[in-house]
Amino acid sequence: GDSVTQMEGPVTLSEEAFLTINCTYTATGYPSLFWYVQYPGEGLQLLLKATKADDKGSNKGFEATYRKETTSFHLEKGSVQVSDSAVYFCALFSGSARQLTFGSGTQLTVLP
Amino acid sequence: DTAVSQTPKYLVTQMGNDKSIKCEQNLGHDTMYWYKQDSKKFLKIMFSYNNKELIINETVPNRFSPKSPDKAHLNLHINSLELGDSAVYFCASSLANRGLGSTEAFFGQGTRLTVV
Repeated sequence: GDSVTQMEGPVTLSEEAFLTINCTYTATGYPSLFWYVQYPGEGLQLLLKATKADDKGSNKGFEATYRKETTSFHLEKGSVQVSDSAVYFCALFSGSARQLTFGSGTQLTVLP
Repeated sequence: DTAVSQTPKYLVTQMGNDKSIKCEQNLGHDTMYWYKQDSKKFLKIMFSYNNKELIINETVPNRFSPKSPDKAHLNLHINSLELGDSAVYFCASSLANRGLGSTEAFFGQGTRLTVV
């Protein structure tokens, strides 16, 4: 079945540091890939997405590129802010399975 | 206007009770989901409804029953609540096309269920 493996957290960075959160996946066919963010006490919000190989999703300074050859969708940001502190989830949607499968989530804390 | 709304936001109840959580979406989506998030933030899908038909029923206890009166609503009913049911339950919706990927899923704010 489909699965998503995320870098384990928690991750603690200083403000303006570079962020990478690794994500790899296993799926049949050609899934769509997503990064969601969950701020404390809130639901999940879509951060960015990519629907086919080599697509780059970007939003709020975050980027991720759909790499089919390495089955990866790593999240990056060049300079994190305190307000980026949240839990980040990598996810895939497989048309054959018709469900959204999430990774285990990575807690990010950014210190001033 | 809230895209996906679920009520209540907090629910505290005793073991053995029966409770329901309601969810509504106004996005015109054809698929709705229920997810359970445990204390370690792990998200597990429980149910998925596409055009009012159940298409996924993961191995959750049959004390949990989804009910979809129409494609804009997916309610979750839980019988005989147990301590282990304490978690945050999220409703979500999306527009899903088989084999073509999907638009993103939109999530509700969650219902924090505490069973005492």
